[in-house]
Amino acid sequence: DQQVKQNSPSLSVQEGRISILNCDYTNSMFDYFLWYKKYPAEGPTFLISISSIKDKNEDGRFTVFLNKSAKHLSLHIVPSQPGDSAVYFCAASLTSGTYKYIFGTGTRLKVLA
Amino acid sequence: GAGVSQTPSNKVTEKGKYVELRCDPISGHTALYWYRQSLGQGPEFLIYFQGTGAADDSGLPNDRFFAVRPEGSVSTLKIQRTERGDSAVYLCASSLAGVGEQFFGPGTRLTVL
Repeated sequence: DQQVKQNSPSLSVQEGRISILNCDYTNSMFDYFLWYKKYPAEGPTFLISISSIKDKNEDGRFTVFLNKSAKHLSLHIVPSQPGDSAVYFCAASLTSGTYKYIFGTGTRLKVLA
Repeated sequence: GAGVSQTPSNKVTEKGKYVELRCDPISGHTALYWYRQSLGQGPEFLIYFQGTGAADDSGLPNDRFFAVRPEGSVSTLKIQRTERGDSAVYLCASSLAGVGEQFFGPGTRLTVL
């Protein structure tokens, strides 16, 4: 049973436009959410996180939105750049500890120049 | 080299053989994690160390898998009697404590023929 779902395996966006990556989860006990970015042959790199007490967190071009009632979060990248092309993983962890991340299957973002 | 390092980067073995995968965490990080990423999936939690002890090994798929961290730094993931289904990228991550951002290594790609 996939507790964290990323239903779009891929997304293509024009450079300069907004990229919106979506993530849904099923476990209402999840308390902390993260986005990781992964380039080929490299490990995932932390991008941004959000606690369940917030509904928005912003860091430069990256903003994560959390809708707890819908069990949905999204990552917005504005403006998108070619270097943003990578696989993006959504992850969640339980209130009892943040060490065990449950990852989604990833969305491959391609930003077209 | 400030990041998490993993060796070897690639390992090809035959079904039934024993393999060891090594992880060198970021200096000073007390928490260490192993994940497994199968093709088309996100990383899947295997085991978490706090210092020398395995605080949570609930993700290990069966007793063929074992991990150690004898001195609280380098960790080795050991797989006995490898099966073709063990083929995956094995990722290691570390963090300052059992909470907060996890920093991932580049992974070891294991192929069992």
